[in-house]
Amino acid sequence: SQTIHQWPATLVQPVGSPLSLECTVEGTSNPNLYWYRQAAGRGLQLLFYSVGIGQISSEVPQNLSASRPQDRQFILSSKKLLLSDSGFYLCAWSRTRGELYGYTFGSGTRLTVV
Amino acid sequence: RKEVEQDPGPFNVPEGATVAFNCTYSNSASQSFFWYRQDCRKEPKLLMSVYSSGNEDGRFTAQLNRASQYISLLIRDSKLSDSATYLCVVNKGGGATNKLIFGTGTLLAVQP
Repeated sequence: SQTIHQWPATLVQPVGSPLSLECTVEGTSNPNLYWYRQAAGRGLQLLFYSVGIGQISSEVPQNLSASRPQDRQFILSSKKLLLSDSGFYLCAWSRTRGELYGYTFGSGTRLTVV
Repeated sequence: RKEVEQDPGPFNVPEGATVAFNCTYSNSASQSFFWYRQDCRKEPKLLMSVYSSGNEDGRFTAQLNRASQYISLLIRDSKLSDSATYLCVVNKGGGATNKLIFGTGTLLAVQP
């Protein structure tokens, strides 16, 4: 069966510090991968998605970047965090036709920028 | 207009009650629809897909009205454990069919 791992679970970082969040998927190959952010009391906002190694699509202009160095690894990064980057970051995977089956989310990283 | 709109609630209902949530979507090209459940401070989890003919899973019934572009979720015989936020999810449609758009959710609180 497929599993998705995300870490760390919580993170407190000062403004201006770098960020690296990692997500890995097991039990499947060539998944579609997604990064979402959920700000406090808000809905899920799609940040990036990837259909293959090195293929990244950005949904909104922001202070963040994403990379996919391996088939089942998706990384979210920032060089300098802003207060507005605080939120609940969720990685998700889907099969190629994700719209048919839905997405499966990791357990998320709660980031607080102070 | 938002791509997916939901009443944020909260819906406060007693145990055993029947409760219904509606959701509207703006893109008539959308073809895939889901309901997700999100517990407080947890990740969203797929509750059920929504099919054109309507579908049922135990106490949960989902329906789709394409003409009016809305989706509904009915929960019968509510349990305390049903308390959560329910997210309506629609695929983006058009050339970005694989992208899912999440509503902001409807909060359900089932009271003893």
